[in-house]
Amino acid sequence: SQKIEQNSEALNIQEGKTATLTCNYTNYSPAYLQWYRQDPGRGPVFLLLIRENEKEKRKERLKVTFDTTLKQSLFHITASQPADSATYLCALVTGTYKYIFGTGTRLKVLA
Amino acid sequence: EAQVTQNPRYLITVTGKKLTVTCSQNMNHEYMSWYRQDPGLGLRQIYYSMNVEVTDKGDVPEGYKVSRKEKRNFPLILESPSPNQTSLYFCASTPLKPTGPNTEAFFGQGTRLTVV
Repeated sequence: SQKIEQNSEALNIQEGKTATLTCNYTNYSPAYLQWYRQDPGRGPVFLLLIRENEKEKRKERLKVTFDTTLKQSLFHITASQPADSATYLCALVTGTYKYIFGTGTRLKVLA
Repeated sequence: EAQVTQNPRYLITVTGKKLTVTCSQNMNHEYMSWYRQDPGLGLRQIYYSMNVEVTDKGDVPEGYKVSRKEKRNFPLILESPSPNQTSLYFCASTPLKPTGPNTEAFFGQGTRLTVV
């Protein structure tokens, strides 16, 4: 069956360090992959999108990589801040335009 | 302001009593979808629509209906709610490019539904 896994349910890091979150998928050939941030009780907010023919995307302190051979995406937050504490979701969009979300990684940045 | 609006935000209902959760977007997006979010299971797509009168099943469509009579509205209908449909529901919209909905999805603020 189609499956997406985000490797950590929770991740604690010290302020200023780089947070690295992982998204692995099986049985897909996704056209692209997206990352979202979700705060408690709120809807997800889009952060970055990366296409299957792209290796890396950056936006300010955020970086996403996409390895279609490993079937894996890595999401990095550099110089992390307490305000970055949230749940981060990865999502694949299939060729038939269905969205498949991972269960999320809850990041806590410690001051 | 560009937004996706869901109503109601909170709803408690009884088993078997039909209900509708409304979703409206003001961005002229073609693609709209509904999700439910449950602890440990993440966001799961219920139904999606690529345009007016075009709807498709997501991963968990059982027990739900949708309609897309107008571009801006995509209501979620529970004909006979059951306690296992207690969840946090999100509606989202995305512009549909020729290569697919390959831009960001805009989410509503969520509807917390409890079925007793």
